[in-house]
Amino acid sequence: DSGVTQTPKHLITATGQRVTLRCSPRSGDLSVYWYQQSLDQGLQFLIQYYNGEERAKGNILERFSAQQFPDLHSELNLSSLELGDSALYFCASSVGGSGVGEKLFFGSGTQLSVL
Amino acid sequence: GNSVTQMEGPVTLSEEAFLTINCTYTATGYPSLFWYVQYPGEGLQLLLKATKADDKGSNKGFEATYRKETTSFHLEKGSVQVSDSAVYFCALSATGNYGQNFVFGPGTRLSVLP
Repeated sequence: DSGVTQTPKHLITATGQRVTLRCSPRSGDLSVYWYQQSLDQGLQFLIQYYNGEERAKGNILERFSAQQFPDLHSELNLSSLELGDSALYFCASSVGGSGVGEKLFFGSGTQLSVL
Repeated sequence: GNSVTQMEGPVTLSEEAFLTINCTYTATGYPSLFWYVQYPGEGLQLLLKATKADDKGSNKGFEATYRKETTSFHLEKGSVQVSDSAVYFCALSATGNYGQNFVFGPGTRLSVLP
């Protein structure tokens, strides 16, 4: 058990809809990272938050947004969903925000299926 | 920018065979290097890491050496087991254009047959 909790584990929805994925980091970790894993794109970094502030941004679509709350949990919001958004979404956490030498601890992921 | 390249899979081996999964990287500055493993239905777990040149990371019989001169971090295990069947990701962390970032390779699927 990594200590990172993601909910829900599975989500099935329709095109055009909006969903929210939730992540609780390990106790004491200040950074939260979001990744998208699909068969054709591999593991894609979306965005990082550190202590409530956006720290780094990757290949995140404008239809997607995220935030980190004062209690350090994070939510990833996906809107106007398309079939191609179907993927496994991972959250990871780390102690600090600099990243160098730090370990990432991953949750078990949310499997999103857009029908 | 920062990037990681690793050998294409899938790799299929018999139990007790020797394993090598190649990984090379491109990065600015001095990155830290990692191998993560993903077992079926699970998230990624850190397998081993190295933070400077010539460091050797090791765990569960796996090892990898940070080679700055060849920008490589190849994963090796002397005798694989069926339970090692998983997807292996090489990764780096380094300063990016916008803050720190972790970059993962595409993953190599390993299947070990009894």
